[in-house]
Amino acid sequence: GENVEQHPSTLSVQEGDSAVIKCTYSDSASNYFPWYKQELGKGPQLIIDIRSNVGEKKDQRIAVTLNKTAKHFSLHITETQPEDSAVYFCAASKVSGGYNKLIFGAGTRLAVHP
Amino acid sequence: KAGVTQTPRYLIKTRGQQVTLSCSPISGHRSVSWYQQTPGQGLQFLFEYFSETQRNKGNFPGRFSGRQFSNSRSEMNVSTLELGDSALYLCASSSSPGNEQFFGPGTRLTVL
Repeated sequence: GENVEQHPSTLSVQEGDSAVIKCTYSDSASNYFPWYKQELGKGPQLIIDIRSNVGEKKDQRIAVTLNKTAKHFSLHITETQPEDSAVYFCAASKVSGGYNKLIFGAGTRLAVHP
Repeated sequence: KAGVTQTPRYLIKTRGQQVTLSCSPISGHRSVSWYQQTPGQGLQFLFEYFSETQRNKGNFPGRFSGRQFSNSRSEMNVSTLELGDSALYLCASSSSPGNEQFFGPGTRLTVL
């Protein structure tokens, strides 16, 4: 069935370091991969996404890479800041047919220490 | 532009009761999806609505139902509440199916 595995479950870094979170999906038909950031008491916030026709996408300090062959995608955060501390979720979806069902990873709790 | 709004933000119910949660999508968005978030199961897809039609449903019992109105607002209903239904219920809106989904703050449901 559809499954997304996410690693690590917790990540602790020093301010200014880089952070990398990795996800693997099972359904080879998946073609849309968003990343969400969830802070305490809030809903998930979309921070970046990538579609299967692109291998890498960057937005300031955040980048996402996709390896369709390995069914693997990663989130890279450079120059981390304390406000980056949150839980990050990866997700995968098949948007063919216009369906919106997101399959989420279990989340990574990122702590950035000053 | 206002974001996704969900009401109420917090609810306490007892076993056996039923509950209705409401979601107003971002203005102009016509697709609404619902997710359940629990510490044990994480974020799980409940169902998706577009143009007042349920287009997709997750693996939840029939006690979970929903609907969408002509103004794109959506409601979900849970009947015969069980302790395990305690969760954060999240609504996400997108302009149309397949586009980016933006989440609301959620409704925290506690079943006693």
